[in-house]
Order: sequence, then C-alpha cells, then structure tokens
Amino acid sequence: GNSVTQMEGPVTLSEEAFLTINCTYTATGYPSLFWYVQYPGEGLQLLLKATKADDKGSNKGFEATYRKETTSFHLEKGSVQVSDSAVYFCALSDRGNAGKSTFGDGTTLTVKP
Amino acid sequence: EAGVAQSPRYKIIEKRQSVAFWCNPISGHATLYWYQQILGQGPKLLIQFQNNGVVDDSQLPKDRFSAERLKGVDSTLKIQPAKLEDSAVYLCATTGGALNTGELFFGEGSRLTVL
Repeated sequence: GNSVTQMEGPVTLSEEAFLTINCTYTATGYPSLFWYVQYPGEGLQLLLKATKADDKGSNKGFEATYRKETTSFHLEKGSVQVSDSAVYFCALSDRGNAGKSTFGDGTTLTVKP
Repeated sequence: EAGVAQSPRYKIIEKRQSVAFWCNPISGHATLYWYQQILGQGPKLLIQFQNNGVVDDSQLPKDRFSAERLKGVDSTLKIQPAKLEDSAVYLCATTGGALNTGELFFGEGSRLTVL
C-alpha cells in the first residue's frame, strides 16, 4: 500500500534560516504529492502540490519538487519567518482516486525571532 | 465561498458513551472524507463518500463507528460505544468542483476526548 515518511521533528530554527523538511513516499503508479500546513488553532490547508514527475510546487516562499527517481518531495524555504511556525504534513493521493490521501505524521516547525 | 463546517469543535465523554459529529461540505463537492487524527500522527482515512454512496470504508471500525451522508450533502460520523483509544481529532474533508486536482479541503475538526 501507499505510505509517506517525513523527517522527525520537532524542528526549531531562527528567523531567516533555511528550512528543509524531508519527505519520501512509496506508492504504486504515479501519485499526486502535496504539502499541507496546520497553523496553531486552525485546520489543515493546502500549502503546495505537484501532480507529475519534475513538477515544482510553490507557495508563500515554500517549494518542493516531485522527484520520481528518489521518490521524494522535500519541502524547502530559503528564509523562514516566525509566522511559518506550524505543523507540516506531506501527503500523496492516487491518480485514480483524487483526494483519497495518505499522510505522513507531520513535522512541527518552530521559528524563533 | 464557505468552507467545510464541522461541529462540535470539542467533545468530552466517558468510555462506552456515544458521540456524533456533523460535517457540512463545500457546496458542489461530491466527495467527502472522514479522517481520524491521533495526537502526533497524520490523518488516517476512515471513510470516503461519493455523493451519498460509500466508496471506501475499509478502515472504519464498523463494530463501533458508523457514518452516513444523506442526500449527498451533510454527513454524520457516530461512535458507539466509545473507547479510550478513540480520543482524536475527527476531520471532515471534501474534494470536487470543476477543477478537481485531488486537493483536500478540511474543516477545523472535532476534538474528542474519551475519559
């Protein structure tokens, strides 16, 4: 079956530091890949997505590239802000059943001023 | 556009009691999911509806959990009787619309504590 593995947290960074959160996946076929974010006190929301190999998803300064050869979708941001403090979830969904998603266990990011 | 609405936001019950959660999806979203998120873990799919029909309930503990989506709009998830291990956040999510790319739209969740 499908599975998603995220780097374990929590991650604590200083403001303006570089962020990488690793995500690797196992899936049959060619899934779509997502990063969701959960800010304190809020629901999960989509951060970015990529639907095919070599696609790069980007939003709010975050980027992730769909790497089929390494089955990875690492999240990066060049300069984090305090407002980026949140829990980040990597997820995949089957092409044949868009929306039926498998999630990683989340990585908690804390950015200190 | 209104988002996915869930209620109640919080619920505390004793084990062996029952509880029900309600979800109102985004208008026009045909597919609705219930996920269970235990503290420190990612969401795990419980059940998927397409309109008012069940597509996948393979991960739903059917001895105690039930769900329905009457008229293909609102949905309810019920737990009876609850166990301590059911303490979690229950998330409702929907997809659909004209440009369905598989992105899930989540409600804020219903946090259940079983004592």
